[in-house]
Amino acid sequence: KAGVTQTPRYLIKTRGQQVTLSCSPISGHRSVSWYQQTPGQGLQFLFEYFSETQRNKGNFPGRFSGRQFSNSRSEMNVSTLELGDSALYLCASSSRVNTGELFFGEGSRLTVL
Amino acid sequence: QQQVKQSPQSLIVQKGGISIINCAYENTAFDYFPWYQQFPGKGPALLIAIRPDVSEKKEGRFTISFNKSAKQFSLHIMDSQPGDSATYFCAASMRAGNMLTFGGGTRLMVKP
Repeated sequence: KAGVTQTPRYLIKTRGQQVTLSCSPISGHRSVSWYQQTPGQGLQFLFEYFSETQRNKGNFPGRFSGRQFSNSRSEMNVSTLELGDSALYLCASSSRVNTGELFFGEGSRLTVL
Repeated sequence: QQQVKQSPQSLIVQKGGISIINCAYENTAFDYFPWYQQFPGKGPALLIAIRPDVSEKKEGRFTISFNKSAKQFSLHIMDSQPGDSATYFCAASMRAGNMLTFGGGTRLMVKP
């Protein structure tokens, strides 16, 4: 099986712009979660989607949003980018909602200048 | 989200030695405790996980010890190898859900 695929892998944006990151889960996995990884804050949960519905949301401002499509692919969007949004954004998929067994992609590294 | 505290931040172990990483949590509603391993440039990968109804779980060279009363759990890597050099994260979730609260990570270096 192919793993979790995230695109783009690297991107550079300037403050005030917006960005959309994409995630294709492992085939058959219907749960997709997003995490932000930074040296200072570590790994922090952003949100989780299952069957196109957001199940949980972390403690992030409304500038961070996401969605899931009927084929389980997911996107996350960050609007009005700030310098502090520079991070590795990780997508993880799982076969069920209450398994805790997440399969992570390699991430999208966002740099905000 | 409740906090999960992880120590040490970094660890250097000789090849063949035992690596020990500790985590403590606050929220007694946590009922699933996985450990993830992350190599540079890669996403975290699930290593081993435990639920609070057992005190220890072993998979190969990796063992989780769990102390429910102390709200602590630890990862032991026996016979540590240079290939184990990576960053390790403990985590916790409620109802074994996919919303994980991660510890701060431990950078392990195993010297040959």
